[in-house]
Amino acid sequence: SAVISQKPSRDICQRGTSLTIQCQVDSQVTMMFWYRQQPGQSLTLIATANQGSEATYESGFVIDKFPISRPNLTFSTLTVSNMSPEDSSIYLCSVEEVGGRSSYNEQFFGPGTRLTVL
Amino acid sequence: GQQLNQSPQSMFIQEGEDVSMNCTSSSIFNTWLWYKQDPGEGPVLLIALYKAGELTSNGRLTAQFGITRKDSFLNISASIPSDVGIYFCAGHNAGGTSYGKLTFGQGTILTVHP
Repeated sequence: SAVISQKPSRDICQRGTSLTIQCQVDSQVTMMFWYRQQPGQSLTLIATANQGSEATYESGFVIDKFPISRPNLTFSTLTVSNMSPEDSSIYLCSVEEVGGRSSYNEQFFGPGTRLTVL
Repeated sequence: GQQLNQSPQSMFIQEGEDVSMNCTSSSIFNTWLWYKQDPGEGPVLLIALYKAGELTSNGRLTAQFGITRKDSFLNISASIPSDVGIYFCAGHNAGGTSYGKLTFGQGTILTVHP
């Protein structure tokens, strides 16, 4: 499976600021996704990062709050804008690989970014 | 939207015991995935199931895709301390506007006492 890295691994931020999280994959992948995992909770899909076009957001998530970029098939960023304490979560990127068994929709996750907003 | 009900929410077992957890859905999924998440890490894919009725093993793990396509279970045999973590089921609907989207269960927290 692809090797996925995220930066930063964790951060503590002040209310009202923004943080950009990077996701880097060691091979080209068809699809990249961003998830949020609030403390003690399951994973919720924020958006699908589309290469060369605007991301597709899930209900309850908007571009102004979570702008996403995906300039190529191996890299994506998620920005958490104008943060509040309610944004304290783990943010995870996941990927679906090109070719092979990708038609079986196996998704692999990065290690996550642990965000605390004070 | 689609929802997954995962049970039990938590389990406390002795080392060597077998474990079983399951997920049910109100909707049909084309693929079922089981993940394990260790503290401070992202979820790791354990088993993927692609066909209704499919039974798949990965070492001490066995999972089945329910015949109705609305449920799945995961069994862990002869548990060991490193099995501790949170186990998530996830359903994948490969069709239409839901392509690529995973719906996750609430997770099962497993604690194994030596």
